[in-house]
Amino acid sequence: DAEITQSPRHKITETGRQVTLACHQTWNHNNMFWYRQDLGHGLRLIHYSYGVHDTNKGEVSDGYSVSRSNTEDLPLTLESAASSQTSVYFCASSDGAVLTYEQYFGPGTRLTVT
Amino acid sequence: AQRVTQPEKLLSVFKGAPVELKCNYSYSGSPELFWYVQYSRQRLQLLLRHISRESIKGFTADLNKGETSFHLKKPFAQEEDSAMYYCALGYGNKLVFGAGTILRVKS
Repeated sequence: DAEITQSPRHKITETGRQVTLACHQTWNHNNMFWYRQDLGHGLRLIHYSYGVHDTNKGEVSDGYSVSRSNTEDLPLTLESAASSQTSVYFCASSDGAVLTYEQYFGPGTRLTVT
Repeated sequence: AQRVTQPEKLLSVFKGAPVELKCNYSYSGSPELFWYVQYSRQRLQLLLRHISRESIKGFTADLNKGETSFHLKKPFAQEEDSAMYYCALGYGNKLVFGAGTILRVKS
């Protein structure tokens, strides 16, 4: 069955370190998204991609970067982790062939920056 | 700018009582609105979309353009409805989410 996975599921890191969160989908979806989930803010879009080599900034992109070298993967990198980036991170994908807003979400990665 | 407002962080009701989760939006174009749900230990998933005019698990939501609202309703709450509910606005293949409302259904 097609799915979307994230790794690691839990990560503790120190302030200033570079961290990369992986997202892999086997839906063959063109669109991929990264969100962070925080109480009181809901889900906020960090970066998104509409296809290979395409990346775009979302609402809260400062301190984050992504790259899209193939259809399946959209890794999220925190260049220099800060305590404000402690959050739960969700990856999602959707079919880019049609205009659709049904996004399929991964299980999430809980990141703690100490 | 696009914005989705869910005024209630937590809604607690008794089993069998009616439920209404409020959602208001701000968008200059023609809105596409959705409700997503996250049950405990499960992934966020689409519950329903306004364009389908469907009832899913007993839930319905009507788009009111005059009041810019898309409230989620269910006449009789069940314990298994307890979850986090997000209202979302779609534009340009992206979604803008509200802050979410936790629904707790008490027995």
